[in-house]
Formats: sequence, C-alpha cells, structure tokens
Amino acid sequence: AQTVTQSQPEMSVQEAETVTLSCTYDTSESDYYLFWYKQPPSRQMILVIRQEAYKQQNATENRFSVNFQKAAKSFSLKISDSQLGDAAMYFCALHTGTASKLTFGTGTRLQVTL
Amino acid sequence: GAVVSQHPSRVICKSGTSVKIECRSLDFQATTMFWYRQFPKQSLMLMATSNEGSKATYEQGVEKDKFLINHASLTLSTLTVTSAHPEDSSFYICSARDAGVAVAQPQHFGDGTRLSIL
Repeated sequence: AQTVTQSQPEMSVQEAETVTLSCTYDTSESDYYLFWYKQPPSRQMILVIRQEAYKQQNATENRFSVNFQKAAKSFSLKISDSQLGDAAMYFCALHTGTASKLTFGTGTRLQVTL
Repeated sequence: GAVVSQHPSRVICKSGTSVKIECRSLDFQATTMFWYRQFPKQSLMLMATSNEGSKATYEQGVEKDKFLINHASLTLSTLTVTSAHPEDSSFYICSARDAGVAVAQPQHFGDGTRLSIL
C-alpha cells in the first residue's frame, strides 16, 4: 500500500519570502512519480510540479522547486518569492505504476501575508 | 492544454433523490477516469476508477450500488449518487487520464461538484 504524509496542516509566509512544504511517502514500488497539486478556494486542482523517481535531478518550475530525497522518501516543495496568489491548499501525491492511481496527502494550507 | 469539464458544479436536492454528475474530457480521449470525494478541509479520497467499456473498480468501503459509475465512451464518465441522503453531501471531483500519453502523466481534473442533500 502507498501512503503520503504531510505533517504541516498550515503554513504561513510573507510575500516575497520563501517557504518549504514537507511531504514524505512510502511505497514498495521502484517506479513511481510524485506530484504537488495546488487547490485554491475555487477548489480546482492545479498541477504545480512533478518528479519522476528515476531522475536524480530535482524538478523546477519557475518559482517552484522540489527537494527529492529518494532514500529518505521525502519530497518537499519550495516556493520562492511567494505571491498572494500562492495562497491555497497544497497536496502532495504519489503515483505508482502498479496501482495506476494517485494517493494524496492530507494537505497543507498555505497563507501568504503582506 | 487538456480540459476536463465536470457538470453540474453545484447541486442541492432533497433526500432520496438520485443525482448524476458528468465528467467529460473535451480535447482528448480518456480510457480511464477517476472519481474522488473531498470532505471540508480534508484530502481527496479516491472512490473508484472508471474504465471505458468495462465495470468500474471501487475502492474499499465504497458502496457500488450507492455510487453508480458509467463510462460508456472515451470522453464521458458519469457518477450517479442513488437515493442520496445528507451524509452523501460532499465535494466530488473527477479526473481523466489522456489515453494517448504515458500512464504516469498527470491526471487532468474537473472543477468539482458540490453536492448538498437536504
């Protein structure tokens, strides 16, 4: 079975600052993918970034980057130069080939303050 | 980009009513669609995997007769909540996987349906 754990129910960051959201996971699969999704108040699920487990290089998408530590089964999201529009729920998700489905963490609510 | 349309966005109905929610992939074919349920301030819980032309695969604890899923075409899956009761009130979200890309490509999500049973 796959599990995804997000230990930070809420986080707060000042505008223009940097924040890191934590995520750990567990799977017995060797081939898997990790995702961060953003869910703003509109409830739409928006893909932020993805990481293939076989890649050692950390994924980066503009102000968003991940710290993927495969041995530790850790997949944190770093948001640089935070903006008010970054305020949302952030979900970490695991996809494995065998299960062919996403397993979500419990989410972290990010507040961005002026 | 790939678009998934979910309809209706909001439903309010009386207890005992059956409610149908549609999930359409607008610009791609989806052999597999997923239905999630999300309670307030909680995560998405997978209810079932909808497979085009075959029976859906339900997660443990999800009542098949309560939540009927039909995936009759490559662009449409429906979820019918039968004889809905207040405890079925929730936010339902569908997602679809593009049949033309690798399995591990990101799923595309609909905007969700807020179901309220009075």
